[in-house]
Amino acid sequence: ETGVTQTPRHLVMGMTNKKSLKCEQHLGHNAMYWYKQSAKKPLELMFVYNFKEQTENNSVPSRFSPECPNSSHLFLHLHTLQPEDSALYLCASSPSRTSGGRVTGELFFGEGSRLTVL
Amino acid sequence: GEDVEQSLFLSVREGDSSVINCTYTDSSSTYLYWYKQEPGAGLQLLTYIFSNMDMKQDQRLTVLLNKKDKHLSLRIADTQTGDSAIYFCAEAPSGGYQKVTFGTGTKLQVIP
Repeated sequence: ETGVTQTPRHLVMGMTNKKSLKCEQHLGHNAMYWYKQSAKKPLELMFVYNFKEQTENNSVPSRFSPECPNSSHLFLHLHTLQPEDSALYLCASSPSRTSGGRVTGELFFGEGSRLTVL
Repeated sequence: GEDVEQSLFLSVREGDSSVINCTYTDSSSTYLYWYKQEPGAGLQLLTYIFSNMDMKQDQRLTVLLNKKDKHLSLRIADTQTGDSAIYFCAEAPSGGYQKVTFGTGTKLQVIP
């Protein structure tokens, strides 16, 4: 497999459920991201991990809990979500700057996990 | 925080040129991007421009940057039905990893 793979592609859950979204990248990148895409709103950055360390938490409610066990895998654990959390959750990865190299900052996205909270 | 603004919708006829506009607020932006999202897919980088450039051309795509007004535009010449998608404007400061700020996306509808 190549690129960024997200599972599941679709998820329906009740407000009391616990579920997880998974992201895997086979690009050798060191930075991984979670973004939330809602209709008519800017793409929202949720979390950034760089070399497995969380470097950004964009004031995300604690009902979203990220986990990055290694540079290739990223999870988003979901617990007691609200209907307004229904959205497309996108995972992305990018290379980090290497010595002497110029990094364009391109993000490589997965196809997203469409979450519906009932 | 940083903001990126763009209109939500644009409709053009096949064969015409499309111009998608974007404004941003962060004066320290170093990289400015256009991403394309086709139905059911994630975002893919279409093109990018560094802040020290005014224009970049790549086949049917022309990117114009007015740094003074913090205005970025994407022109698609000879627009085809396959260009129908959502186009996201984005910006980022320099950095080892990228804290990229995106706009709402502009949905381009191409009418045959």
